[in-house]
Amino acid sequence: QVQVVQSGAEVKRPGASVKVSCEVSGHTLFEVSMHWVRQSPGRGLEWLGGFDTEEGETVYAQKFKGRLTLTEDTSTDTAYMELSSLTSEDTAVYYCATDSGGSSVSAGYFDHWGQGTLVTVSA
Amino acid sequence: EFVVTQSPGTLSLSPGERATLSCRVSQTMASNNLAWYQQKPGQAPRLLIYDVSSRATGIPDRFRGSGSGTDFTLTISRLEPEDFALYYCQQYERSLTFGGGTKVEIK
Repeated sequence: QVQVVQSGAEVKRPGASVKVSCEVSGHTLFEVSMHWVRQSPGRGLEWLGGFDTEEGETVYAQKFKGRLTLTEDTSTDTAYMELSSLTSEDTAVYYCATDSGGSSVSAGYFDHWGQGTLVTVSA
Repeated sequence: EFVVTQSPGTLSLSPGERATLSCRVSQTMASNNLAWYQQKPGQAPRLLIYDVSSRATGIPDRFRGSGSGTDFTLTISRLEPEDFALYYCQQYERSLTFGGGTKVEIK
């Protein structure tokens, strides 16, 4: 059974960057396709990006291109989400979640979620 | 972009009643690329339904997904106390977008 554990809450100043980690257990990162979704009161659930198994590359939602970087450390089975040039609009709970297709196909929906990481952007 | 709209915003029902949640997509879906999630306070979303009508592992059969084209429905046949929660639909036909959610609350 896949388990996903995220790093703790962060408070950042406007203009700063934040990096959130997501550690996988029960499977290796090679066996899952990790995605990131955020949730804020004003904008609900938003998909940020993730690994597209069929394309063999990381894909980003258009609105986050240029300031979102998703990386993985396969030696520790940890995925990372780094968002730069933060504004108050980026205040949200950030989730990592695994694509149900695993490493073979891109299903497009998510079956295992981390517990969420609250990122607060405030001066 | 596929815009996803859910209605109603809030559904007030009693345990044992039937819940019908609506999800409308702004463009016709050629494939069954729609999922439903349940979310409780302080928890991550939980996958209920994928491919419009397939139940995820461990999801009871009182949850049923249906629909095609632009209009989709999640039906909970008889509400149990643990079913009062937020529900989201998500399309994965083109990119990935979620609806705004429907809250099912106790009347």
